Amino acid sequence: GENVEQHPSTLSVQEGDSAVIKCTYSDSASNYFPWYKQELGKRPQLIIDIRSNVGEKKDQRIAVTLNKTAKHFSLHITETQPEDSAVYFCAARYGNKLVFGAGTILRVKS
Amino acid sequence: NAGVTQTPKFQVLKTGQSMTLQCAQDMNHEYMSWYRQDPGMGLRLIHYSVGAGITDQGEVPNGYNVSRSTTEDFPLRLLSAAPSQTSVYFCASSRGGTSGSGYNEQFFGPGTRLTVL
Repeated sequence: GENVEQHPSTLSVQEGDSAVIKCTYSDSASNYFPWYKQELGKRPQLIIDIRSNVGEKKDQRIAVTLNKTAKHFSLHITETQPEDSAVYFCAARYGNKLVFGAGTILRVKS
Repeated sequence: NAGVTQTPKFQVLKTGQSMTLQCAQDMNHEYMSWYRQDPGMGLRLIHYSVGAGITDQGEVPNGYNVSRSTTEDFPLRLLSAAPSQTSVYFCASSRGGTSGSGYNEQFFGPGTRLTVL
């Protein structure tokens, strides 16, 4: 079925450390994997995405890696800052639908 | 551009009442969708539309109806509200949809917080 599993559900890191969030998907036909950040009380906003013809993509302190064989992809945040504290959602495209993971609450402690 | 707008921001209903959540976008996006967000369950797709006159069901369509008579508007109707429909509802739109030639960013509205008593 159309499923996206996301781990961990909560993650606490010290400011300056790295954070990694992992997602797995069920359909090998999926070819688009975005990540959204949602601050408290706000709407989700896209922070980075990756297509299936790319194994890794970076944008400053954030990066996403994709392993199509294992059907998983990960978000990496380096040098975390207090403003990185938010809920992060991964998603995978299934046909015309975007299916989201359950979310990861990231807390960056200063 | 106002982007994606939603009204109302907050709503309290009694069980059995009906209402329509409004969503509009001014970016000429073909693709529009409705999600509900519940604690620990992420964003679940209710209904979506790849263009005016075309709608389809998502993961959790029961109890909701949609229509898409114009490119700009995509209202969500609750036919007979139930406490299980208490949630935050987000509307989103994207250019060209998530299929076909583009994999495009979805822009979300500010959300509607709905409580059903």
